Amino acid sequence: QSVLTQPPSVSAAPGQKVTISCSGSSSDIGINFVSWYQQLPGTAPKLLIYEDNKRPSGIPDRFSGSKSGTSATLDITGLQTGDEADYYCGTWDSSLSVVVFGGGTKLSVL
Amino acid sequence: QVQLVQSGSEVKKPGASVKVSCKASGYIFSTYAMSWVRQAPGQGLEWMGWINTNTGNATYAQGFKGRFVFSLDTSVSTAYLQISSLKAEDTAVYYCARADLGYDFLTGYHKAWFDPWGQGTLVTVSS
Repeated sequence: QSVLTQPPSVSAAPGQKVTISCSGSSSDIGINFVSWYQQLPGTAPKLLIYEDNKRPSGIPDRFSGSKSGTSATLDITGLQTGDEADYYCGTWDSSLSVVVFGGGTKLSVL
Repeated sequence: QVQLVQSGSEVKKPGASVKVSCKASGYIFSTYAMSWVRQAPGQGLEWMGWINTNTGNATYAQGFKGRFVFSLDTSVSTAYLQISSLKAEDTAVYYCARADLGYDFLTGYHKAWFDPWGQGTLVTVSS
């Protein structure tokens, strides 16, 4: 069981917006930065968002991150079929002194 | 470009050992930590720990202490993961990932993000 809680799956139509949530606690998300990763089928994870809301070079602005209290959110707008992937949130857990990930959310673009 | 290239898939018998390599290029190896992440078949990501590429000091997450060893060969910008006394439950894809880990004194937050990732190494343990 993951420390961070994500919905197992979300879906939306092409061109629409989807929101993926990541719920944690006062010892992880509440006091540390959150990052988000995209894992396309059969490939390695790829960094999408770091330090809650920053995008690495090359990541389109269709992807955005935010945080409020002990929860974080990844928004994806203008959905494309190529966005179908598993998405993971991650952060530092200050009580365990480890990095923790969410269980992952499978995005389907219908 | 910054890149991590891992060694190929391995098939091992229970009780054997395996060593996975992760060669870095495109940046100064000692300026970032290296982390290892496990992904069991059909499962999510599990952080195994990290190694300081300056000092070689390794920190292991609970569950990865004892049989798992991180090491370096800085002369060839390569990190290694060795797993001994392999068990069937060690069957997984193992990823190395360049890590930005640390405490931000301005915000009081810890940062922990990984970019890029190696392509992954599948280790299969089967009799």
